[in-house]
Amino acid sequence: AQTVTQSQPEMSVQEAETVTLSCTYDTSESDYYLFWYKQPPSRQMILVIRQEAYKQQNATENRFSVNFQKAAKSFSLKISDSQLGDAAMYFCALANNDMRFGAGTRLTVKP
Amino acid sequence: EPEVTQTPSHQVTQMGQEVILRCVPISNHLYFYWYRQILGQKVEFLVSFYNNEISEKSEIFDDQFSVERPDGSNFTLKIRSTKLEDSAMYFCASSGGGPGYNEQFFGPGTRLTVL
Repeated sequence: AQTVTQSQPEMSVQEAETVTLSCTYDTSESDYYLFWYKQPPSRQMILVIRQEAYKQQNATENRFSVNFQKAAKSFSLKISDSQLGDAAMYFCALANNDMRFGAGTRLTVKP
Repeated sequence: EPEVTQTPSHQVTQMGQEVILRCVPISNHLYFYWYRQILGQKVEFLVSFYNNEISEKSEIFDDQFSVERPDGSNFTLKIRSTKLEDSAMYFCASSGGGPGYNEQFFGPGTRLTVL
């Protein structure tokens, strides 16, 4: 069974600062993909960043980057230069034949 | 920019009634999905659909659920006899390729309230 764990129900960050959201997962598959999705109050699911498990290089998308540690089954999201619009629920997800989500981390950005 | 659409945005129904939630995936996508999110909880995978058949389903997707692609554009989720615990946000998603690498584009969701 595939599981995704987000151990931080809530996080807060000062505007312009950096924050890291944690995610660990478990799977018996060797070929899988990892995602971070953002869900603002509108409840729309928006892809933030994705990582292929076979790639060692950490994915980066502008202010968003990941720290992918395959042996440790860890996939954290770093948000640099946090902006007020980054405030949302963030879900980590693991995909192979289906997609499994973690419980989410609610990020608050303080002005 | 192409997007996934869902109707209705909010559906209220009585326990025991049948509901059909509708989705229009992105036109050139081949894989379709339904997810559910009970208020305050995580997003849960229900089912994936490819080539006019279910390719994967979760333990949540029991006999009261069914999916259909009745024409070339719509993708529906039917709940035969709704229960109070079916109250949730239901998201449809689509992707151009399989559920692995390919980004799934999510619709805005349908809020289902079962009274």
